[in-house]
This record gives sequence, C-alpha cells and structure tokens, in this order.
Amino acid sequence: EVQLVESGGGLVQPGGSLRLSCAASGFTFSTSWMHWVRQAPGKGLMWVSRINSDESTTTYADSVKGRFTISRDNAKNTLYLQMNSLRAEDTAVYYCARVGLAGTAFDIWGQGTMVTVSS
Amino acid sequence: QSALTQPASVSGSPGQSITISCTGTSRDVGSYNLVSWYQQHPGKAPKLMIYEVTKRPSGVSYRFSGSKSGNTASLTISGLQAEDEADYYCCSYADSNTPWVFGGGTKLTVL
Repeated sequence: EVQLVESGGGLVQPGGSLRLSCAASGFTFSTSWMHWVRQAPGKGLMWVSRINSDESTTTYADSVKGRFTISRDNAKNTLYLQMNSLRAEDTAVYYCARVGLAGTAFDIWGQGTMVTVSS
Repeated sequence: QSALTQPASVSGSPGQSITISCTGTSRDVGSYNLVSWYQQHPGKAPKLMIYEVTKRPSGVSYRFSGSKSGNTASLTISGLQAEDEADYYCCSYADSNTPWVFGGGTKLTVL
C-alpha cells in the first residue's frame, strides 16, 4: 500500500524547535521529489518546502526560509522537517506529499501532523 | 508568489453541474499546463482529482473535468452527488523559487 505517515507534531512555545518525520512505503521513495505543505486552522493549503532525490536541491517558502530545514534519509525511506524559531503563525497541520506523475502534481499525501505554537 | 484566486463557496443541487474557477497570473497558471485540483473532506488529507489541467488520475470519477483559458483554470463537476461536498483547491507550478502555489480553496455545498 502506498503510504506516507507523518509524526513529531505537538505543542511548542514561540521560539522553540520541532522536528517532523514522514515515513514512506509502497513506492520508490529514493527517486521521488518530496514536499511539505501546511494548512493553518480553517485556512487553505500553503507549500512550505521541497527536496530532490539526492538532497542536492532544497527550496523553501519565503515565510520559513532560514528557520526550517528539509532533509531525507533514503535508507530509512523517511523525510524530515526541522523547524526552528517557531512563531504563532507556523501553527498548522503539516502534510508531507510526493510530487509524482512525472513531476506534475501532488499525488500522494500523508494524513498530516498538527503543530501548535503557543505559550 | 500570491495565492491563486478561487471563489470562497459554490453550491448546487444533486444532479446539477458546477464550475469552480482559479485565477492566477502569466507567471503561473498562464505559463504552465501544470494546474492540479484537490478535494479535501473535513479532517482529511487532500486528494488529487485533476492534474496537467485536464487529466484524471486512475480511480477519479469521469464527472470531474478540468480546463484552462489564459490565466484562469476551471474545475467542473457534473452530476453532483452528496459525497462531492468538500473543499476544493487548485494548484499551479510557478517558478523555481516558489515552485507550487495553491488557491485559497472553495467550499462546495450540495444542497
């Protein structure tokens, strides 16, 4: 079964850090471009970051640049998002997703993990 | 990159057809045939419904179709069914710095 399972979300104080994980199974993770997309409560989807298969290319949304770091471990079929200097506006459900179909769309999504930044 | 523009809500009766628009710019929707649409039920992950403007992934109903003209893409759902009630998001490739931009979402109500 094709699957992405996120973990690592929780409650963190402003200025704190959190690392999200996304375990992949059922498809060839090591050759896939992987992404993080977030959704603030009651709001729409926002692309956050992407990484290519060998980690040579990473890209970030302006709102998280310099604070978030995307990485992957192809031996463990796992994607990560290290989030530092967290702000209240980072509060959201974080989804990991694959861009497949020859790089044309987000075809596999995880169930999401909630991150709440609050004192 | 600003979000793509979608109507906040649309509604229709069972059996009817509805269309959701998605307006971008010449830097995203207008430049690439990489528009996709996602369905999201409450508390669930998004599901891909349309990709490359008009293509349907395996398993998606023929009642869902997509199109594009200039900077505006559209999703049409024909023969509305109760289970189609959900939020719908468009998405387009933009550029290498901010590769993917989403619309604000449209809530579809089946009356």
